Amino acid sequence: KNEVEQSPQNLTAQEGEFITINCSYSVGISALHWLQQHPGGGIVSLFMLSSGKKKHGRLIATINIQEKHSSLHITASHPRDSAVYICAVSYSYNTDKLIFGTGTRLQVFP
Amino acid sequence: DAGITQSPRHKVTETGTPVTLRCHQTENHRYMYWYRQDPGHGLRLIHYSYGVKDTDKGEVSDGYSVSRSKTEDFLLTLESATSSQTSVYFCAISDSQGFGNQPQHFGDGTRLSIL
Repeated sequence: KNEVEQSPQNLTAQEGEFITINCSYSVGISALHWLQQHPGGGIVSLFMLSSGKKKHGRLIATINIQEKHSSLHITASHPRDSAVYICAVSYSYNTDKLIFGTGTRLQVFP
Repeated sequence: DAGITQSPRHKVTETGTPVTLRCHQTENHRYMYWYRQDPGHGLRLIHYSYGVKDTDKGEVSDGYSVSRSKTEDFLLTLESATSSQTSVYFCAISDSQGFGNQPQHFGDGTRLSIL
């Protein structure tokens, strides 16, 4: 069982829909990261957060430390948002290591 | 975009041959990492470096060695490649003392096939 669980594994949406991707983890963390991997394979860091909420354009990331849960939201989704979204955490007991989820594959259709 | 270059981008080789992958950065970041990415698994850390000549093992280090003789270059070597090492390899860099608390910037990946 992966220490970082993402849901859903696969997600399809129509253009314009509001998207939510979830990430849960098992113990206290020092930081949580959201990454995006496009079909070409490149990986881009979207957010790093340890509390609260961050927003960048149409992307919003939230984290609930008590519930050990984070969500990535995409408002007004667009086909160019089609990618794999990856959650990763660094645990408080060992900040020298990132643990990655297996990713959520999002496809947005026109 | 962070200046990270991986080479080669694609390689096909035979079991038992040595293979070296190169990661080159122009950001002068202290930390460099090698990951592998396989279906059904998240990115898994192979080795990382926290300075010139300073390296440490990750969770899947068996069969791999690394070297960092200059800040900008981090080499990953498969001394005798096996089919289980067929994977996509990513290099990443970070400017952090504890790399969980700073974003990591990734290279474009190297697709390695071992026949």
